[in-house]
Amino acid sequence: KQEVTQIPAALSVPEGENLVLNCSFTDSAIYNLQWFRQDPGKGLTSLLLIQSSQREQTSGRLNASLDKSSGRSTLYIAASQPGDSATYLCASPQGGSEKLVFGKGTKLTVNP
Amino acid sequence: DGGITQSPKYLFRKEGQNVTLSCEQNLNHDAMYWYRQDPGQGLRLIYYSQIVNDFQKGDIAEGYSVSREKKESFPLTVTSAQKNPTAFYLCASSGQVRASGANVLTFGAGSRLTVL
Repeated sequence: KQEVTQIPAALSVPEGENLVLNCSFTDSAIYNLQWFRQDPGKGLTSLLLIQSSQREQTSGRLNASLDKSSGRSTLYIAASQPGDSATYLCASPQGGSEKLVFGKGTKLTVNP
Repeated sequence: DGGITQSPKYLFRKEGQNVTLSCEQNLNHDAMYWYRQDPGQGLRLIYYSQIVNDFQKGDIAEGYSVSREKKESFPLTVTSAQKNPTAFYLCASSGQVRASGANVLTFGAGSRLTVL
């Protein structure tokens, strides 16, 4: 059974800093891994999806990597801005099913 | 614009009452999902539907019911049997990413249910 863990639960950084968010998963036979952003009281917005055959995906200042052998994915945010403040969640399918297993998220605060 | 609409945004319920949360999508997605989110918790799957007139229980289906009579709609009823219904409820739908075959989820804005 796939389990997804995100540490730390919260992170605070000054504006302009490059940062890395971590996501660990237990089932290395992973199909894909998705990163989402959630603003307070809102739904989730998909940021990046990495297929099992890929090592990384990039979108603007965001770069997500996937290392199946170590059971880890990282989301790298370059030149952080206050507008990046949100909770970031990662998720992976349970086996080959439609069911996504979510981590509890990392709450990021970027201070001006 | 294509997307998912959830209503109401806020809902208050007295103990013993059933309530229904609406979820409508115009993305032509086949699969739809209901998740529950509690403070400090990850999202937990309540029900999901891969096709009209068919749905499956997720991890925490007890006390909930759904229907999928139309492709666009997947309403969730929170029944009086749900012991702790106060939570943030999120509806999502998915369509396959071309070539990759992966299902990328699109979420609605959520409905916050409070039991008085």
